[in-house]
Amino acid sequence: NAGVTQTPKFQVLKTGQSMTLQCAQDMNHEYMSWYRQDPGMGLRLIHYSVGAGITDQGEVPNGYNVSRSTTEDFPLRLLSAAPSQTSVYFCASSPLGGGGTGRLGHGYTFGSGTRLTVV
Amino acid sequence: GIQVEQSPPDLILQEGANSTLRCNFSDSVNNLQWFHQNPWGQLINLFYIPSGTKQNGRLSATTVATERYSLLYISSSQTTDSGVYFCAVSLGATNKLIFGTGTLLAVQP
Repeated sequence: NAGVTQTPKFQVLKTGQSMTLQCAQDMNHEYMSWYRQDPGMGLRLIHYSVGAGITDQGEVPNGYNVSRSTTEDFPLRLLSAAPSQTSVYFCASSPLGGGGTGRLGHGYTFGSGTRLTVV
Repeated sequence: GIQVEQSPPDLILQEGANSTLRCNFSDSVNNLQWFHQNPWGQLINLFYIPSGTKQNGRLSATTVATERYSLLYISSSQTTDSGVYFCAVSLGATNKLIFGTGTLLAVQP
């Protein structure tokens, strides 16, 4: 049981380049989300999904696209990277309902993060 | 939107000391969770505690929902407790978590 797997762990991009951050979970969680973490600002929600084929915007969605074709995968796409997107990105999954805890109260599971630098 | 404030922002302890971290939130919530981010960046779920008190070893948490705050207690702190502690809340039936800015804890040997 791998939990939530993010790739790559590190990435350097030039301004204007595009890339996809991968996120996969094997816990059959309906809910998946992407956060970015910047110094002194905690974690901010970018996009989220409540199931395959359903996505919605979070607090800071501009410059990012997502799709959810399967329950397991939730990739985050940067179409034209900007220095302001330099950050650490976390993917998370949880059961749907109960504020993310599900019936068994398991709560959120986070991936190990992707450190992205845009130069 | 809902505001989540944590205090203190930074805390330095000697090993063996106790500490209390506080989380205030500006609206009624249906979910409150505490997370620990270790020095390697990994986020670990500590407690799901929308109300009441829970304990897990040296850690315990209390949420007073009517007064809109939660407390995380760390007793007999160890160097492995170092890192950032976040509280996060969600509203209504949503799974969306809104995070506070965290408390940076450093436990010195």
